[in-house]
Amino acid sequence: RKEVEQDPGPFNVPEGATVAFNCTYSNSASQSFFWYRQDCRKEPKLLMSVYSSGNEDGRFTAQLNRASQYISLLIRDSKLSDSATYLCVVWKGSARQLTFGSGTQLTVLP
Amino acid sequence: SAVISQKPSRDICQRGTSLTIQCQVDSQVTMMFWYRQQPGQSLTLIATANQGSEATYESGFVIDKFPISRPNLTFSTLTVSNMSPEDSSIYLCSVEDLGNGGEAYNEQFFGPGTRLTVL
Repeated sequence: RKEVEQDPGPFNVPEGATVAFNCTYSNSASQSFFWYRQDCRKEPKLLMSVYSSGNEDGRFTAQLNRASQYISLLIRDSKLSDSATYLCVVWKGSARQLTFGSGTQLTVLP
Repeated sequence: SAVISQKPSRDICQRGTSLTIQCQVDSQVTMMFWYRQQPGQSLTLIATANQGSEATYESGFVIDKFPISRPNLTFSTLTVSNMSPEDSSIYLCSVEDLGNGGEAYNEQFFGPGTRLTVL
């Protein structure tokens, strides 16, 4: 079983749609959680951190459920520029290593 | 945020040869990492580059195949040795600066990657 598992995708949605991505992680010792965004042929960049209380950044909402070891990302009012691969990422702390999910590809259609 | 450059940005190599990839950061950073991203796959950590000591390798990666150097706090190299077509991948370095030495996560920044094709 992979340490971080994501929706396989791809997701093709019209502009203005709301789309949700899910992610589960297997290591209960994981300390911090993130969503990274990777554009085609580019390096990954941090989109947002994920907190148990839930956090929002504009059209993006991230949620963590530690009991279920489940992470989500909600994108409202999708824009063409949101088209990218979204990576669920877990940080275990002591070794300072990031573990990446396989990514979910999103294409927002005009 | 740290500005990271990698050289070369891409290369096409013959099997059996070796390629050294350089990672340069515009500021001193505490942690440097090397990742691999195979075609259509996500990122896999190869090793943590430690200044002044041997790198710490993840399961499935060994020093003989992926020797790493880190002579100072702004520079590291990864060598892909005795290459085969299975080594065709994007290799990325990333950095994390621990700043005041706290244990909390500090954002990791990624270099633009080196796209390697082995024929």
